[in-house]
Amino acid sequence: EVRLVESGGGLVQPGGSLRLSCAASGFSFRSYEMVWVRQTPGKGLEWIAFISGGSSTIYYADSVKGRFTISRDNDNDSLYLQMDSVRVEDSGFYFCARDGGGWKPFDFWGQGTLVTVSS
Amino acid sequence: ETVMTQSPATLSVSPGESATLSCRASRAVSTNVAWYQQKPGQAPRLLISRASTRATGIPGRFSGSGSGTEFTLTISSLQSEDAAIYFCQQYNDWPPKTFGQGTKLEIK
Repeated sequence: EVRLVESGGGLVQPGGSLRLSCAASGFSFRSYEMVWVRQTPGKGLEWIAFISGGSSTIYYADSVKGRFTISRDNDNDSLYLQMDSVRVEDSGFYFCARDGGGWKPFDFWGQGTLVTVSS
Repeated sequence: ETVMTQSPATLSVSPGESATLSCRASRAVSTNVAWYQQKPGQAPRLLISRASTRATGIPGRFSGSGSGTEFTLTISSLQSEDAAIYFCQQYNDWPPKTFGQGTKLEIK
């Protein structure tokens, strides 16, 4: 059974940092591209970052480029999102998801972790 | 980026009836469209890919159609458990693989 479990969310002040983690199990993690998607009241579901299986290809949404960093540890089946210089508008639920690859959708999602940016 | 627009924002339908949800792409995306279901407090679940192919374990009551810019998700014989928000997504032009804003389905 494919399982994705996020952790690391919480309350952070504007300008602060937070690191989200996603523990994967039930599939060959290193063989799959992975993404982070966030859900906010203002923008709904928003893809924010992509990483290929070997970390050679990384993409970011313009809204987080230069502030967030996606990474992965294939030896430990884990995905990460380093969030720096956070803003109030970054508040929301953050989901990790398995990207089906290329011209395919996101086929499995974690339950999400809540990030609240507030002073 | 390709913008996905869903309608209506909210749909209220009686049990046993059918619900039709629409999704329009700002440019042609072939059949590279997925539909997801999200219940309160849960992650989105993939229902349909390639506009009309049900994901594993998804009941036949869920069907998708369309190509190009117009797509439809139809849910027949509605049950109370179908109450959720439904999102469409295009993955033809990426990054990003963009989502619609969602349709909230209420069961009367």
